Amino acid sequence: GQQLNQSPQSMFIQEGEDVSMNCTSSSIFNTWLWYKQDPGEGPVLLIALYKAGELTSNGRLTAQFGITRKDSFLNISASIPSDVGIYFCAGGSGNTGKLIFGQGTTLQVKP
Amino acid sequence: DGGITQSPKYLFRKEGQNVTLSCEQNLNHDAMYWYRQDPGQGLRLIYYSQIVNDFQKGDIAEGYSVSREKKESFPLTVTSAQKNPTAFYLCASSRAFPGSDYGYTFGSGTRLTVV
Repeated sequence: GQQLNQSPQSMFIQEGEDVSMNCTSSSIFNTWLWYKQDPGEGPVLLIALYKAGELTSNGRLTAQFGITRKDSFLNISASIPSDVGIYFCAGGSGNTGKLIFGQGTTLQVKP
Repeated sequence: DGGITQSPKYLFRKEGQNVTLSCEQNLNHDAMYWYRQDPGQGLRLIYYSQIVNDFQKGDIAEGYSVSREKKESFPLTVTSAQKNPTAFYLCASSRAFPGSDYGYTFGSGTRLTVV
């Protein structure tokens, strides 16, 4: 079945540093979504991408939909302690009607 | 405010007992989903429902059952047949199916511990 490879699995960074994470797949997706999950809570949608090559920002977050439609990245600039959590990418193919989730990137920020 | 509510937040059950997790949404969303989350394994789809009175198995449906009698509600029953039920369970909804076009709204989860 379809799978997403999300990397890195975990990151431990200093406050103020920039962060980059990405997702790749052997399958083509029509939609890429990025979610953040705070400890003990459900994921919250950060950014949604709908077109190949699309670059979208949301405050300090920037995400891009890869040209090949098989990958996406998320950047966080000037990290702060509240950025701590698990970040998930998700791809939607339309054919299956379901989102496929990556395994998550756990981010820890040292003040 | 509209949202999706899961209850209870924490649930403890003895091995061999069935247990039902509640999920209610007032977003007027047509589609609803149940996911299981284990450490380091991401989100795995258990069941999903596109419309009332209809639902389909996801990737790990064995040992689980659902119903969709009302648009707002999509309860999940973890049966005694589920070999390793201790996990964090997440319910989600989307405006329409396929929800991949709109993104999912998630509840805050139920942590089930079977002892």
